[in-house]
Amino acid sequence: GAGVSQTPSNKVTEKGKYVELRCDPISGHTALYWYRQSLGQGPEFLIYFQGTGAADDSGLPNDRFFAVRPEGSVSTLKIQRTERGDSAVYLCASSLRAWGTEAFFGQGTRLTVV
Amino acid sequence: RKEVEQDPGPFNVPEGATVAFNCTYSNSASQSFFWYRQDCRKEPKLLMSVYSSGNEDGRFTAQLNRASQYISLLIRDSKLSDSATYLCVGDTGRRALTFGSGTRLQVQP
Repeated sequence: GAGVSQTPSNKVTEKGKYVELRCDPISGHTALYWYRQSLGQGPEFLIYFQGTGAADDSGLPNDRFFAVRPEGSVSTLKIQRTERGDSAVYLCASSLRAWGTEAFFGQGTRLTVV
Repeated sequence: RKEVEQDPGPFNVPEGATVAFNCTYSNSASQSFFWYRQDCRKEPKLLMSVYSSGNEDGRFTAQLNRASQYISLLIRDSKLSDSATYLCVGDTGRRALTFGSGTRLQVQP
C-alpha cells in the first residue's frame, strides 16, 4: 500500500505486560514520528526519527517507552510494564523530510491496558 | 503554557455559515504552520499549510500573524461534510510537529 501502515490496529494488554507497536512508513520518507492521542486531545509528540537515529526523543514520558528504527524504514514503539494510563491511540506519521513538509499519518494503534 | 493553544469548541454552525478558528503559539522560533483535519476515530490529515503571506484554497483561508503569534482558519459556506476537529500545528524547525488540542466543528442542516 502507499500509505503509512500501523499494526496491530487494536491491542488489549494486561497491566504490567510488554507491548510492541509497529509502523511501516511511506517508502522513501526519511522522517518518522510517533504521537499519542487521548480522547478529546490533540496528538502528543513522543519521538521523531530522521533516518535510523532518534533526532528528538524528548516527548517520551519515561524510561518505560523506547522506539527503534534500525534500518531507517520500519519503526517499533516498545512499552514496558504497561500501566492503565498508557491507554491511548498511538499514531505514527512519516514525511519526505523534516521541517515544514506534510506528515502522513497511519490509522493508529488503539492500546487498552486493563 | 501549551506551545499551541486552541479553543476546543464545539462550534455549532448552520450550513452555509462562515466560521473562523484562531490558534496561538508560544514559540517564536516556529517556522511554518499547518491546519490538519481529523474526523472522529480517524487519523489527522493535512488540510492546508500556512505560510507568512497566508493562503487560500477554495472555501478555506488561512492567515498567519507573526507579530501576535496566532494563525486563523476561515471556512466560508460551511458544508455538513466540514464537521470534524481542526488541529492547529506548529513546526519549530527543531523538532516534530506540535499539535494543538483541536477545535471541534459541527455543521448543522
